[in-house]
Amino acid sequence: AQSVTQLDSQVPVFEEAPVELRCNYSSSVSVYLFWYVQYPNQGLQLLLKYLSGSTLVKGINGFEAEFNKSQTSFHLRKPSVHISDTAEYFCAVISNAGNMLTFGGGTRLMVKP
Amino acid sequence: GAVVSQHPSRVICKSGTSVKIECRSLDFQATTMFWYRQFPKQSLMLMATSNEGSKATYEQGVEKDKFLINHASLTLSTLTVTSAHPEDSSFYICSARSGDTEAFFGQGTRLTVV
Repeated sequence: AQSVTQLDSQVPVFEEAPVELRCNYSSSVSVYLFWYVQYPNQGLQLLLKYLSGSTLVKGINGFEAEFNKSQTSFHLRKPSVHISDTAEYFCAVISNAGNMLTFGGGTRLMVKP
Repeated sequence: GAVVSQHPSRVICKSGTSVKIECRSLDFQATTMFWYRQFPKQSLMLMATSNEGSKATYEQGVEKDKFLINHASLTLSTLTVTSAHPEDSSFYICSARSGDTEAFFGQGTRLTVV
């Protein structure tokens, strides 16, 4: 079984400030890791993913995440946020032998002017 | 990336009626489709997994007779909410995979039962 924990349900931040959204996972097998963004009343859009290779992954909209196997973490970062980044962010994992994404509880990023 | 189209985006129905939601993979063949339900300010909860040509596998606690899932072709899966009640009001999202690791999501359907 696998699980995903997003430690912060809400993260308020001022525009142009840096932000980190935390994600920790647990799994007995190797996993692939994803971050998705959801704008109001919309589906999910993939921000970035880690499958293998370099542990620092760059995604769309200036986001990046770092896979830390020893800490079982995959935190999402952006050096300078915009108002348009206000959305819900979901961390998700899938085992390399599995078929189903397991989502974290989500983190609402609220960017203030 | 691949495109998954979900229709309708919003639907309002009367209590006791049935509603069908369609999920189509537009430019790839989806061997597996997933249906999620999302409550306000909460994460996505997997309802069921469907493979083309076979019966859907439902998660614990999901009523298979109430949420009918059909995956008749490699590009289409449908979710029918039967005898809808106000507590079925929610945001439903489908996802499709072609055997690769990445899942592509539909735009979601906001169901309101009045």
